[in-house]
Amino acid sequence: LAKTTQPISMDSYEGQEVNITCSHNNIATNDYITWYQQFPSQGPRFIIQGYKTKVTNEVASLFIPADRKSSTLSLPRVSLSDTAVYYCLVGLNSNYQLIWGAGTKLIIKP
Amino acid sequence: DAGVIQSPRHEVTEMGQEVTLRCKPISGHDYLFWYRQTMMRGLELLIYFNNNVPIDDSGMPEDRFSAKMPNASFSTLKIQPSEPRDSAVYFCASSARVGQPQHFGDGTRLSIL
Repeated sequence: LAKTTQPISMDSYEGQEVNITCSHNNIATNDYITWYQQFPSQGPRFIIQGYKTKVTNEVASLFIPADRKSSTLSLPRVSLSDTAVYYCLVGLNSNYQLIWGAGTKLIIKP
Repeated sequence: DAGVIQSPRHEVTEMGQEVTLRCKPISGHDYLFWYRQTMMRGLELLIYFNNNVPIDDSGMPEDRFSAKMPNASFSTLKIQPSEPRDSAVYFCASSARVGQPQHFGDGTRLSIL
């Protein structure tokens, strides 16, 4: 049974690179991993998605090792506005199940 | 595009009353999702639709909860009768295809007194 686990909270400082890891055992090769960002009083917002190796867009990178038992969201040079809750989502293509992580509260300090 | 639109943004009602939450997905999106979010339980998927047909309602907590999607541009989540433990933020989201990113509305903050 697939399950996602991520840290409850993390702190960092402006200008630093932040890496948030999500553990997800028992996922198949065509299952996808998506990360969302949520600010207070708003719905989650899509950040990045991938299946394997590395994906990069204008705001983040997603690293998925060969064994696919985890994935890491990397936020380069964070700012105070990156303070938010970050969710990992695994989508199972076999039965279209969606497995959400509990969220990581990221606090960026000046 | 206007994004996913939910109404009302806030709802306060008394226990036992019927509550109806509404959602307009992004035009052209085939999938619609209803979520509930609380501090204790986090983000929970309640039900999702594909082309207006409910696909997975295993997250619906009780028979007091029901969801419908009469057409591609409208969905409702109904609670009858409501209870204080139903107090939460309810989100609606839509996506173009399975596996595509979900676009969330701003949510309905529901308080049952």
